[in-house]
Amino acid sequence: DVKVTQSSRYLVKRTGEKVFLECVQDMDHENMFWYRQDPGLGLRLIYFSYDVKMKEKGDIPEGYSVSREKKERFSLILESASTNQTSMYLCAGEGNYGYTFGSGTRLTVV
Amino acid sequence: DAKTTQPPSMDCAEGRAANLPCNHSTISGNEYVYWYRQIHSQGPQYIIHGLKNNETNEMASLIITEDRKSSTLILPHATLRDTAVYYCIVTGGGSQGNLIFGKGTKLSVKP
Repeated sequence: DVKVTQSSRYLVKRTGEKVFLECVQDMDHENMFWYRQDPGLGLRLIYFSYDVKMKEKGDIPEGYSVSREKKERFSLILESASTNQTSMYLCAGEGNYGYTFGSGTRLTVV
Repeated sequence: DAKTTQPPSMDCAEGRAANLPCNHSTISGNEYVYWYRQIHSQGPQYIIHGLKNNETNEMASLIITEDRKSSTLILPHATLRDTAVYYCIVTGGGSQGNLIFGKGTKLSVKP
């Protein structure tokens, strides 16, 4: 089975910290995505990447950046975490039959 | 905004078929219909997708109307583990992050 692995299931960080959320896929596919999910707002696209060192802004990129140095790894970076970035973060890779999502990282910023 | 309309919630008895409807009246000729589901506290899971013809796999069947303006996802023998939010998504089939998740249908399978 193809897999998308997110490094942390739960994370608690302080306001102002720099936060790295890691995502690794073993599908050898180019396209990877970061979403956040909040109650009542559904899944919203933050950033995506269609190749190594390439990145594109999604619907809500403010306060975030990404890094794609290797094909299998796509990192989401919160430059200076704020409480309104408390959320569930979901990484996905695009395969031949739709997207495969990781299990998610529930980030709490205090 | 999502291009699909789904009922917010549905109930189904365990062992019975669950039929989840989706309206996508503005679908264009090259757009696919995808179904995902999300079990509580997990990432969404791909179920099935189709363009024009009905599709079946080990998880579900997808019935698309002839005019393609609506579809139905069928879980033939629902179990308690099928309780989840089901999302119907219309996409051009390319990538570039154009999976737009609406609010979905919360399916509750009851014993």
